[in-house]
Amino acid sequence: AQSVSQHNHHVILSEAASLELGCNYSYGGTVNLFWYVQYPGQHLQLLLKYFSGDPLVKGIKGFEAEFIKSKFSFNLRKPSVQWSDTAEYFCAVIAFSGGYNKLIFGAGTRLAVHP
Amino acid sequence: DTGVSQDPRHKITKRGQNVTFRCDPISEHNRLYWYRQTLGQGPEFLTYFQNEAQLEKSRLLSDRFSAERPKGSFSTLEIQRTEQGDSAMYLCASSRQDYSGNTIYFGEGSWLTVV
Repeated sequence: AQSVSQHNHHVILSEAASLELGCNYSYGGTVNLFWYVQYPGQHLQLLLKYFSGDPLVKGIKGFEAEFIKSKFSFNLRKPSVQWSDTAEYFCAVIAFSGGYNKLIFGAGTRLAVHP
Repeated sequence: DTGVSQDPRHKITKRGQNVTFRCDPISEHNRLYWYRQTLGQGPEFLTYFQNEAQLEKSRLLSDRFSAERPKGSFSTLEIQRTEQGDSAMYLCASSRQDYSGNTIYFGEGSWLTVV
């Protein structure tokens, strides 16, 4: 079955540190890839998405992610985090296989940024 | 803003009671999804509608759960004879497939506590 793995469950950083959150998925066909963010007490919001084309995608708030097909990875990066980036981050995949069309989430990574 | 709206936002119910959640998707979105999220986990897929047709149901959706989307607009998720294990956040999402892919937008969720 298709699955999404996020390697880090908890990450603690100081402001201005660089961030990279890992995401791997298990599916060999066409995929749409997403990163969602959930700030404390708020709903899931889309950070960025990859459908096709340039594998380096830029999202909101200075985030970017790189799709590496050979590694089945879609890691999220930000060069310099801020305290306001404290949130939970979810990687998600839509795998296209006939009628298979649902968004599968990873378990999430909790990011805490200290001032 | 006509985002995905869910009602009620919070529900506390006694074990054995029935509960119903409503979801109003973004207008013109023909796809509607229900997910469940528990603390420390990513959202888990429950079911998916395209217009009024329920196209897929997760094995997580036991016989006590039923979802409808009678006119292809709003949807309801009913849980009968609630159990403590049903306590979770129930998320609704909607999307519209377009030429560039399928971006799914989430509502703020309905918290269910079964006591």
